[in-house]
Amino acid sequence: DAKTTQPPSMDCAEGRAANLPCNHSTISGNEYVYWYRQIHSQGPQYIIHGLKNNETNEMASLIITEDRKSSTLILPHATLRDTAVYYCIVSPSGSARQLTFGSGTQLTVLP
Amino acid sequence: EPEVTQTPSHQVTQMGQEVILRCVPISNHLYFYWYRQILGQKVEFLVSFYNNEISEKSEIFDDQFSVERPDGSNFTLKIRSTKLEDSAMYFCASSSLTWAGEGNEQFFGPGTRLTVL
Repeated sequence: DAKTTQPPSMDCAEGRAANLPCNHSTISGNEYVYWYRQIHSQGPQYIIHGLKNNETNEMASLIITEDRKSSTLILPHATLRDTAVYYCIVSPSGSARQLTFGSGTQLTVLP
Repeated sequence: EPEVTQTPSHQVTQMGQEVILRCVPISNHLYFYWYRQILGQKVEFLVSFYNNEISEKSEIFDDQFSVERPDGSNFTLKIRSTKLEDSAMYFCASSSLTWAGEGNEQFFGPGTRLTVL
């Protein structure tokens, strides 16, 4: 599986957009980009995933660069409850493959 | 909204004892997983399970571990003889794949905190 690189920590003001970057320069053609988050030792929570196109759901938007070597997770209006560790993971499609969690980015939303 | 549930939320056991951690995956999901997270460390994959057999397992998942789907709803992780280093949060997850090209989002339960004394 391709590895990902994320900054260890970021701060964001409440109500502002949080933009979390991820580098995955060795991603393969059939690998999806997934984003999960973990709030204080709770179970990881699925946020969004994408292959090539940008994606949006009720939680976030995912922007994937054209060469697919990096992506950005956008939380449009961060709240205090969005404070969590955010994980960017790449994994092949079409198979029940394990998710390999890295250290993620600790996002702290400040009041 | 359907969710993965796990019981118990906290299990304390003596070293050498057997423990069984239980999970109820989302009802229409076909793929099941166990992960663990030692305090302060990364979430680590243990095993995946599909069609009543193990699909993939990590080096952590040695002979002391086993998984079972004893009925149509439960998915269990058994640790036969617990060690101090088995103390961790254990997360169950489930997913559903309907065609070969789609993504595989996994949905996690709240975890069981296992403390081995």
